Amino acid sequence: EDKVVQSPLSLVVHEGDTVTLNCSYEVTNFRSLLWYKQEKKAPTFLFMLTSSGIEKKSGRLSSILDKKELSSILNITATQTGDSAIYLCAVGDNNDMRFGAGTRLTVKP
Amino acid sequence: DTGVSQNPRHKITKRGQNVTFRCDPISEHNRLYWYRQTLGQGPEFLTYFQNEAQLEKSRLLSDRFSAERPKGSFSTLEIQRTEQGDSAMYLCASSSTPVNEKLFFGSGTQLSVL
Repeated sequence: EDKVVQSPLSLVVHEGDTVTLNCSYEVTNFRSLLWYKQEKKAPTFLFMLTSSGIEKKSGRLSSILDKKELSSILNITATQTGDSAIYLCAVGDNNDMRFGAGTRLTVKP
Repeated sequence: DTGVSQNPRHKITKRGQNVTFRCDPISEHNRLYWYRQTLGQGPEFLTYFQNEAQLEKSRLLSDRFSAERPKGSFSTLEIQRTEQGDSAMYLCASSSTPVNEKLFFGSGTQLSVL
């Protein structure tokens, strides 16, 4: 059965720390891996990854996909309290998009 | 606002009642997804539509659940004979096909079954 596993499930850091969130997957007919940030209700899109080894960056956030290892990481440098959220990984195959349970990140001042 | 719109935002109902939620996707998007999310979990896939065709249903979707997208635009999700275990956030998302699979989410409908 297809699955998406994220780790850690929760993480507490202090402002300025760097964090790495992990996502591994077992999906037939892989098409894409997406990262979302969920603060209150609607998840908001961060990155879409389809090719191995190409880093996507947006400000302090970056992500990379390793299709050989069936995994991806999301890095956040110089964390701020506004980064506190649930970070969701989703993997798309030919039919649908399946989400992991998420990593709850708490950034303390 | 041209994003994904969901109504109602909140629904409180008594066990055994039927409820219906509506989702209006981004107008040019062909695909529409329904997810259910409970506290501490990621969104669980329920079903999705390509235009008006319902292409896949999760086994989570018991026979009490039905979804429609009659004209390939808005969609409804109905839950009959609600149970307390149905209490969750129901999220709708849409995407354009075939290249861009980025999902755009609505704010969800929070269902509480008493």
